Amino acid sequence: DGGITQSPKYLFRKEGQNVTLSCEQNLNHDAMYWYRQDPGQGLRLIYYSQIVNDFQKGDIAEGYSVSREKKESFPLTVTSAQKNPTAFYLCASSPPSLGNIQYFGAGTRLSVL
Amino acid sequence: AQSVTQPDIHITVSEGASLELRCNYSYGATPYLFWYVQSPGQGLQLLLKYFSGDTLVQGIKGFEAEFKRSQSSFNLRKPSVHWSDAAEYFCAVGANAGNMLTFGGGTRLMVKP
Repeated sequence: DGGITQSPKYLFRKEGQNVTLSCEQNLNHDAMYWYRQDPGQGLRLIYYSQIVNDFQKGDIAEGYSVSREKKESFPLTVTSAQKNPTAFYLCASSPPSLGNIQYFGAGTRLSVL
Repeated sequence: AQSVTQPDIHITVSEGASLELRCNYSYGATPYLFWYVQSPGQGLQLLLKYFSGDTLVQGIKGFEAEFKRSQSSFNLRKPSVHWSDAAEYFCAVGANAGNMLTFGGGTRLMVKP
């Protein structure tokens, strides 16, 4: 089945630790996105990538980093510089045509120990 | 810059009653408009989209939405709500260039038996 796989489903971060959230898609989509979701605030864009080896900061990129070495993969690292990382993180991808439709993974919930 | 407002944070309806969720957007040109639904702890699923043409669009699960340019609105409707419709609903607007989406803050729907 084609889709977007996020792992792990739950993740815990210790003080001063970097953690990496995985996002893999087998939809052959060019564009991929990372969003942060907090209660009552909708989705806020962290980073996005339109093609391999290229990515752009979104609205709230501080304290996060990404890479896009393969078309299928767009991992997000939450660094120790992100002082309030507790949130639900959603990865999405989008095909090259069909306008702006984005397809979402099931999310990763990150909590701080 | 584009923006999306969902005025109702929470809505409660009785099962079998009709539903309308409001969405207002701000965008200079004709937007791409979307409604997504999110069940607790899950990713977002596309309900319907408007790109152009007929201003009344049909989606999955019996939902429809109407684009009203004069009111900058894209309200979501369902004639008879089922208990399984309880979820959070997000309206989003996309720019013509690229695949970027801006999301509203969401409306949480609760369904009374």
